[in-house]
Amino acid sequence: DAGVIQSPRHEVTEMGQEVTLRCKPISGHNSLFWYRQTMMRGLELLIYFNNNVPIDDSGMPEDRFSAKMPNASFSTLKIQPSEPRDSAVYFCASTKTWGRGNTIYFGEGSWLTVV
Amino acid sequence: DAKTTQPPSMDCAEGRAANLPCNHSTISGNEYVYWYRQIHSQGPQYIIHGLKNNETNEMASLIITEDRKSSTLILPHATLRDTAVYYCIVRAHRNSGNTPLVFGKGTRLSVIA
Repeated sequence: DAGVIQSPRHEVTEMGQEVTLRCKPISGHNSLFWYRQTMMRGLELLIYFNNNVPIDDSGMPEDRFSAKMPNASFSTLKIQPSEPRDSAVYFCASTKTWGRGNTIYFGEGSWLTVV
Repeated sequence: DAKTTQPPSMDCAEGRAANLPCNHSTISGNEYVYWYRQIHSQGPQYIIHGLKNNETNEMASLIITEDRKSSTLILPHATLRDTAVYYCIVRAHRNSGNTPLVFGKGTRLSVIA
């Protein structure tokens, strides 16, 4: 079975450019989570969706960050404009929406470097 | 979610059991104990979870104390491939829908040949 698929796996971009990270959750999963990992701050939750609806975006660092989930099989995390401090690994994760405490599965991450 | 406390690092000899402790003294009734691990450069990987009974699967065993204030993850025969950061996470189960995982710093386990 295909797991959570993220793209791109690696991206290097210049400061000020727009960055779009993409995520395809596991088929049948309707909850999706975006995390960011840095050496300094570890793994941080940015935002999560249940049934395509954002539930908690309090972890989104600032207005430069936005996330969408237009349907159950796709989500994007956009940074505009990007800054060097946004350099990190961004993970997407998914699980089934209904039911309590379903296991959350992670993708392999998108490694972002902003220069 | 309740916070957890884990030792920052541990070593384990290859082939021996690795016992990773976790304190979660403020855990509440609807909160489960989850364990994930992250091997370098990969996404976090689910290992096991439990509420109050001990649990075992093909990867590990989870021992939760009777008062639920602490737990131990046991890897019965550690291999070099088990070298990773192990995260103990307390996560609420709610009928209203899924809740996220909140990661701490974890324990860096080094399995030594």
